[in-house]
Amino acid sequence: DGGITQSPKYLFRKEGQNVTLSCEQNLNHDAMYWYRQDPGQGLRLIYYSQIVNDFQKGDIAEGYSVSREKKESFPLTVTSAQKNPTAFYLCASSIRLGQNNQPQHFGDGTRLSIL
Amino acid sequence: AQTVTQSQPEMSVQEAETVTLSCTYDTSESDYYLFWYKQPPSRQMILVIRQEAYKQQNATENRFSVNFQKAAKSFSLKISDSQLGDAAMYFCAYRRGGGADGLTFGKGTHLIIQP
Repeated sequence: DGGITQSPKYLFRKEGQNVTLSCEQNLNHDAMYWYRQDPGQGLRLIYYSQIVNDFQKGDIAEGYSVSREKKESFPLTVTSAQKNPTAFYLCASSIRLGQNNQPQHFGDGTRLSIL
Repeated sequence: AQTVTQSQPEMSVQEAETVTLSCTYDTSESDYYLFWYKQPPSRQMILVIRQEAYKQQNATENRFSVNFQKAAKSFSLKISDSQLGDAAMYFCAYRRGGGADGLTFGKGTHLIIQP
C-alpha cells in the first residue's frame, strides 16, 4: 500500500540535544511538508520541499532544519535552538505542479516530548 | 499573509441531525483552494472535502457539503445525517494556487455527536 511513514511514533529529547524525525513516502509525490500541532491549535507549517535538493521555510522554521536528498525522504531535525519542541509533528506529501487541488496526504505523526 | 478563522471551538449535534461548521479566510489571491480535514482521536488527518476557488458550484461528498461564498470569504461545512463516527476535530485549510505551498489551517472545531 502507498502511504507516508513517520518514525518514531514517540520521541523524547534531553536538553541541548538534537533529534531527527523520519518521514518516508512511496506515493511518488514531488512535494513534502512538515507541520507542528500544539494542543488546541491547528497545524502550522515548518518547512516544505517541492523538489529534491530544494526546500523553503514555512511560518515557524526557527530551531528546525531539513534535508531532501531523495524524493521519498524528508527528515526533520529539531535542534537545541528550538526552546519549546514539545508538540505533535505531522509530515505530508502532495503532487506538485499543475494539480493544486490535490490534497496533501498525511503520515500518522510523531509526538515529541522533553525529558 | 493568509489567515483562516474557525470561530466555533466546539459544536454538539444529535445523531442523525445536521450540523454546520463555520470557516472564514482572508487572502488577496484570486487563485486558491480550500479544504476541510477531519482529525479523529487517532490524530490521523483525513481529507473530507475540497473546493477550487474558480468553481462556483459548491462541492459535495456524500453526507458532506460546503457553502462557498467567495465574496464573503466564507467556506462552511455541512454534515447531514450525523453519525457517531463523525466525532472529531475538523480543520479548515487554505492553499494558494500556482505552486506547491503548504496549507494554512484554522484552529479547528471539536465536533461532538450525541447519541
